[in-house]
Amino acid sequence: NAGVTQTPKFRVLKTGQSMTLLCAQDMNHEYMYWYRQDPGMGLRLIHYSVGEGTTAKGEVPDGYNVSRLKKQNFLLGLESAAPSQTSVYFCASSYSRAARGLAGGLSSYNEQFFGPGTRLTVL
Amino acid sequence: AQSVTQLGSHVSVSEGALVLLRCNYSSSVPPYLFWYVQYPNQGLQLLLKYTSAATLVKGINGFEAEFKKSETSFHLTKPSAHMRDAAEYFCAVTARSGAGSYQLTFGKGTKLSVIP
Repeated sequence: NAGVTQTPKFRVLKTGQSMTLLCAQDMNHEYMYWYRQDPGMGLRLIHYSVGEGTTAKGEVPDGYNVSRLKKQNFLLGLESAAPSQTSVYFCASSYSRAARGLAGGLSSYNEQFFGPGTRLTVL
Repeated sequence: AQSVTQLGSHVSVSEGALVLLRCNYSSSVPPYLFWYVQYPNQGLQLLLKYTSAATLVKGINGFEAEFKKSETSFHLTKPSAHMRDAAEYFCAVTARSGAGSYQLTFGKGTKLSVIP
């Protein structure tokens, strides 16, 4: 299995240009996520998807759009790139796992698997 | 809502010394907690996770973390640092969103340097 792959690995854009980042996973995961990573800021969630055909906004969605037409793919689009969008973008996918607590009760949680990242520079 | 605070954006230790990376969380519901490691120019890799089965959690590469509810902490430790441990470490907390998806909230990261 390839896991989570991202295309392209690097890209340089001029202000105002558009582009699409592609994320693909071969683990049949229901959930997929797009994050951006900036120095000293950790990872911030841009958009996410809980299944094919569904998307939702995360913490920093402005300036981005997403689509999940197929379960295995999650696209991140920049319609009009700005220098503030210079960042490293990570895609992740996850599935629900069961967990048994100390008291014996069952609950569930997500374990996310990350792609290698796309380094985007907007001039 | 959840939040994570990692104390110290940069920690330096000598090879063979104890590694201690601090993480405190805030959560209105019982949390699940994770530590991820990121090596230079790579994605994030899961180091270990707390899912309420045991408070002391062992992970890969000799790391472990202890969940302390009274201190709202989940500090990461390793008895003896190795050069290959030099990386950035992220603590994360999760809880269910209103849309039914599980989101991770990350701390800002701690960069670990290991001095020979």
